[in-house]
Amino acid sequence: DTGVSQNPRHKITKRGQNVTFRCDPISEHNRLYWYRQTLGQGPEFLTYFQNEAQLEKSRLLSDRFSAERPKGSFSTLEIQRTEQGDSAMYLCASSYSTGENTEAFFGQGTRLTVV
Amino acid sequence: KQEVTQIPAALSVPEGENLVLNCSFTDSAIYNLQWFRQDPGKGLTSLLLIQSSQREQTSGRLNASLDKSSGRSTLYIAASQPGDSATYLCAVSAGANNLFFGTGTRLTVIP
Repeated sequence: DTGVSQNPRHKITKRGQNVTFRCDPISEHNRLYWYRQTLGQGPEFLTYFQNEAQLEKSRLLSDRFSAERPKGSFSTLEIQRTEQGDSAMYLCASSYSTGENTEAFFGQGTRLTVV
Repeated sequence: KQEVTQIPAALSVPEGENLVLNCSFTDSAIYNLQWFRQDPGKGLTSLLLIQSSQREQTSGRLNASLDKSSGRSTLYIAASQPGDSATYLCAVSAGANNLFFGTGTRLTVIP
């Protein structure tokens, strides 16, 4: 197992275009999280899946954002009609737990630049 | 809403020094606290996880403590090395769903 994998590592897109990122969690991890990190800030929570169910979405996740986790394995995060303010590092994390004390493992992130 | 603060924002030390990074949080009702390391342009590497019932955790030259009642944690790094240069992030979990992060401490260890 090589850890949480995110693709692509970098994405440059023009304003108004749609982009999609992929996250492959650690095998058998039942929880998957998406975070966004802007320069000089800590990561901010976007959304969370328990298996294939999306259980929570942050207010940061506008209606231009959608995330899926079909079959409870990999996940995709799509941003429609990108804006310059969407430029950030998008981080995926996964964990395995049936309780509350869980250790989260992060991927290397996808850096999005909207020009 | 949980607020996490890390002090100092940046720290520069000569190689070999011991150092302490501080993290405070406003809501003591946490399930665990996790320290991460982040290199420039990279993702987060988990360093230590302290569960709410624990007082400290150790891994090699790293020791993290947790005082839940006062809303504080410290990360102690012994005998610092240039390879320790990175940003260190503290995050608290209020449940199964998400982590609340501080803005990090940027550490530079000078050879």
